Amino acid sequence: AQSVTQPDIHITVSEGASLELRCNYSYGATPYLFWYVQSPGQGLQLLLKYFSGDTLVQGIKGFEAEFKRSQSSFNLRKPSVHWSDAAEYFCALTGTASKLTFGTGTRLQVTL
Amino acid sequence: SQTIHQWPATLVQPVGSPLSLECTVEGTSNPNLYWYRQAAGRGLQLLFYSVGIGQISSEVPQNLSASRPQDRQFILSSKKLLLSDSGFYLCAWSVLDRLSEQYFGPGTRLTVT
Repeated sequence: AQSVTQPDIHITVSEGASLELRCNYSYGATPYLFWYVQSPGQGLQLLLKYFSGDTLVQGIKGFEAEFKRSQSSFNLRKPSVHWSDAAEYFCALTGTASKLTFGTGTRLQVTL
Repeated sequence: SQTIHQWPATLVQPVGSPLSLECTVEGTSNPNLYWYRQAAGRGLQLLFYSVGIGQISSEVPQNLSASRPQDRQFILSSKKLLLSDSGFYLCAWSVLDRLSEQYFGPGTRLTVT
């Protein structure tokens, strides 16, 4: 069975500070990994994805994520957070039949 | 470019009433279509997915059903709503099975009273 764990339910950072959101997965082979962002009351927007190749992937809005097979992790990072980054962030993986398995999400609050 | 629409945006329904949520995709053909539910404080739960007209796979047994009457139309229904059906319902589409990301609609907020 495949699963995604986001251990941090809620994170607060100051504007301009760096950000790292954690994601751990469980899957028997190399998964396809995604990070999505959801603003309140909105749908999900894809930030970035990892399929294969370079383990450091760049996404939109200045986000990046690093795939670490040895740690079964795919953490999301941003060097300097903006107030508009406040949202909920979901890590997800797909293994078979294009079914996405989502983590429970991390809510990011940005203080000014 | 591709766009995905959902309606209504919000809905308040009494327990026991029927439900019909609609999702349509524009700008692509033969998409895979998905219905998810997002309950408060939880992640997204896949309810149904469809790889073609009339082809529906159910992920979670419940009183909901889905239909795909047209290539780019996906409908979520219920004959009698339960309180536990409240949540945020998201439709998504993708192409290229497994290798492609899913694109989400704006969602429908359903409150069952």
